[in-house]
Amino acid sequence: TQLLEQSPQFLSIQEGENLTVYCNSSSVFSSLQWYRQEPGEGPVLLVTVVTGGEVKKLKRLTFQFGDARKDSSLHITAAQPGDTGLYLCAGEMRAGSYQLTFGKGTKLSVIP
Amino acid sequence: EAQVTQNPRYLITVTGKKLTVTCSQNMNHEYMSWYRQDPGLGLRQIYYSMNVEVTDKGDVPEGYKVSRKEKRNFPLILESPSPNQTSLYFCASRTTDYEQYFGPGTRLTVT
Repeated sequence: TQLLEQSPQFLSIQEGENLTVYCNSSSVFSSLQWYRQEPGEGPVLLVTVVTGGEVKKLKRLTFQFGDARKDSSLHITAAQPGDTGLYLCAGEMRAGSYQLTFGKGTKLSVIP
Repeated sequence: EAQVTQNPRYLITVTGKKLTVTCSQNMNHEYMSWYRQDPGLGLRQIYYSMNVEVTDKGDVPEGYKVSRKEKRNFPLILESPSPNQTSLYFCASRTTDYEQYFGPGTRLTVT
């Protein structure tokens, strides 16, 4: 059973469109992270959210942690080809445990 | 430059031949971890370490060993590799406030 379900698995959109990627679980997480990974490289951390209901913005990216700390979303405004990549969410159930569970990822393609 | 390095980046070996993948970080992080990434399964944690001489199993530790004799190094050892350990391996280190940095990856093929 996958603890963290990401949807959609694949997303292909035109440059300038908006999109939202979801990360859902039936379990509560003490913190949740979002990463972006490009082919042949390691994941790069985008953001960490730790408080239920928290919203963080990183330029055109908006991250939200659900009130119950079971889900999160990543919204990209006016997507650009440089946003293309694999987006991964990862959760830590017990604070300070350093045991991270990753979702399978959403592969995003932004077409110029 | 702050970084996590892994060696080798690519390795093809045969079943049963012991190998070590090295991992080193220059950020003085206490936390380090190893992951494997497989198509359809995503990233899964193999082992992690919270400090020197402190290691613990992740989700998929079978067939792997680790050691943490120094803060900067966290090698992954496959005593007797098997084809089902063919994968893309990532080492990572982390600060106490969640910032995690991944290495560039090691692509291992076991025939």
